[in-house]
Amino acid sequence: ETGVTQSPTHLIKTRGQQVTLRCSSQSGHNTVSWYQQALGQGPQFIFQYYREEENGRGNFPPRFSGLQFPNYSSELNVNALELDDSALYLCATRTGGKDTEAFFGQGTRLTVV
Amino acid sequence: KQEVTQIPAALSVPEGENLVLNCSFTDSAIYNLQWFRQDPGKGLTSLLLIQSSQREQTSGRLNASLDKSSGRSTLYIAASQPGDSATYLCAVRPGTNAGKSTFGDGTTLTVKP
Repeated sequence: ETGVTQSPTHLIKTRGQQVTLRCSSQSGHNTVSWYQQALGQGPQFIFQYYREEENGRGNFPPRFSGLQFPNYSSELNVNALELDDSALYLCATRTGGKDTEAFFGQGTRLTVV
Repeated sequence: KQEVTQIPAALSVPEGENLVLNCSFTDSAIYNLQWFRQDPGKGLTSLLLIQSSQREQTSGRLNASLDKSSGRSTLYIAASQPGDSATYLCAVRPGTNAGKSTFGDGTTLTVKP
């Protein structure tokens, strides 16, 4: 049990719709990163938030956006869903130091039909 | 661009065997390297974190080593058990952008009773 909780655990959406995924962090973990993991592959970095500001982004289009709240919980929003967005979405939280350990949630399985 | 490779992609061993999983990375300018375990459809569980200044870390039956100059890490599992069956992923955090961890695609381990 990592103390990082993601909701919902599973979700089915239709192409073109919008989705919001949520992540709650451990106490004191002011940094959150989001990853997309396709079946059989390693997670791909989407973006990171530190103290409510985005401070790193991977190769994902602008329709992937996020928020971090004052309590350090976070949201990942995806607009105009495409079939290829079907994946396991993972969030990872850690304290702000550059060499600190990342703790992952159990993931949200998104299926786009 | 950092690239992380894990070989082999899959491994099957009899219970009780000692085994080594390999992780190689192309850019040696890293802050740390982290090994994770992932059960099917689940999130990532952190196993070991090695800082760039360290050579190895141990936890129970697990030992991870890091050779930054050659861009390699190994995860040694002693006396394997069926419960060790899972996918093992390594991730490196680069020195230039502390947020973007780059993952390998993992090694899927099956330990047969």
